[in-house]
Amino acid sequence: EDQVTQSPEALRLQEGESSSLNCSYTVSGLRGLFWYRQDPGKGPEFLFTLYSAGEEKEKERLKATLTKKESFLHITAPKPEDSATYLCAVRPAYSGAGSYQLTFGKGTKLSVIP
Amino acid sequence: DSGVTQTPKHLITATGQRVTLRCSPRSGDLSVYWYQQSLDQGLQFLIHYYNGEERAKGNILERFSAQQFPDLHSELNLSSLELGDSALYFCASSVGDRTPQPQHFGDGTRLSIL
Repeated sequence: EDQVTQSPEALRLQEGESSSLNCSYTVSGLRGLFWYRQDPGKGPEFLFTLYSAGEEKEKERLKATLTKKESFLHITAPKPEDSATYLCAVRPAYSGAGSYQLTFGKGTKLSVIP
Repeated sequence: DSGVTQTPKHLITATGQRVTLRCSPRSGDLSVYWYQQSLDQGLQFLIHYYNGEERAKGNILERFSAQQFPDLHSELNLSSLELGDSALYFCASSVGDRTPQPQHFGDGTRLSIL
């Protein structure tokens, strides 16, 4: 069974204090690891897709990296508007009905204090 | 704005009742996915439709059913509602079905069972 574990569950940072969120996964092959941002009362907003170990993607203050067992979301010099819950999800590589769905972690709630 | 539209935003009803949630995917997207989000379980995959055909089922109860219409909008029907069905229900869409393209989410329907 595919599993995604995110840590920490919650993280409070001072504005400008860089840090990383972790996503550990167990999946039968990997056909994509996805990062989403979710604001209260909103749906998840797509950030990145990573396909293979060693791949990196960047967007503004966010940088996502991928290894064979985990992914990190690095936040550099965060601002209060970066406060949100960050979700990680995986899609397995095996064929069949299960390959179409995403398995999500429970998320890391990030609070950036001014 | 993800381009995925869900209605209604909020729904309050009683145990034993039946409700229908509606989703319009992004223009050009053929796949529609339904997810349930509760505080303790996180985002759980329910069902996937591609171009009108059911492609995969996840943790969907027999009391729940869905369909995708020729115009590609989708409806999730929940019947014999129980208190535990209170949750956020999200719809997501993507272009295809077999490639690891990102899913784009609507802002959800908040279902409250009294």
